[in-house]
Amino acid sequence: AQTVTQSQPEMSVQEAETVTLSCTYDTSENNYYLFWYKQPPSRQMILVIRQEAYKQQNATENRFSVNFQKAAKSFSLKISDSQLGDTAMYFCAFMNPGNQFYFGTGTSLTVIP
Amino acid sequence: KAGVTQTPRYLIKTRGQQVTLSCSPISGHRSVSWYQQTPGQGLQFLFEYFSETQRNKGNFPGRFSGRQFSNSRSEMNVSTLELGDSALYLCASSLSQTTSGNTIYFGEGSWLTVV
Repeated sequence: AQTVTQSQPEMSVQEAETVTLSCTYDTSENNYYLFWYKQPPSRQMILVIRQEAYKQQNATENRFSVNFQKAAKSFSLKISDSQLGDTAMYFCAFMNPGNQFYFGTGTSLTVIP
Repeated sequence: KAGVTQTPRYLIKTRGQQVTLSCSPISGHRSVSWYQQTPGQGLQFLFEYFSETQRNKGNFPGRFSGRQFSNSRSEMNVSTLELGDSALYLCASSLSQTTSGNTIYFGEGSWLTVV
């Protein structure tokens, strides 16, 4: 079974600064997909970024980028120029070839003005 | 394009009752999956439906069931409710299960409180 581990339950960052959220996963699959979802206080889960395991290039979406280390099974999220609206719970997720999702326990990020 | 719509948004039930939650996927999406979110257990996968067939199932008791209709709308049912079933139930949809790697898009969830 696949497992996803987020070892940082809570983090905080000063507005405009950069923060990195960690995620590791365990799988025997070679082809899979990784995601970061954001859940603000409204509870709406919003896709932040996705990465295909067969791509070596790290995914980037505006201020959000990932550091994907396949051999180490690590998938961290970097948020640059943090904004107040980034305050949310962030979930790392793994999707196997069967399209089944596994989520980490989440990291609560607070952006401090 | 409308997003994933879940109804009802909030509900309170008594132990022993049963509840049905509804989910309408994004237009054109054929795969619907359900998740239970609780403070202690995080996000746990319940089941996934594609073309009216259950394709994946999580590790939940038989009291949790679901179905999908021909228009891709899905319902989940929980019978004989227990206090521990109090949770946010999230529905998500994606384009297809015939190809892998499709992103899932979530609804706002249904808050269930069992008293």
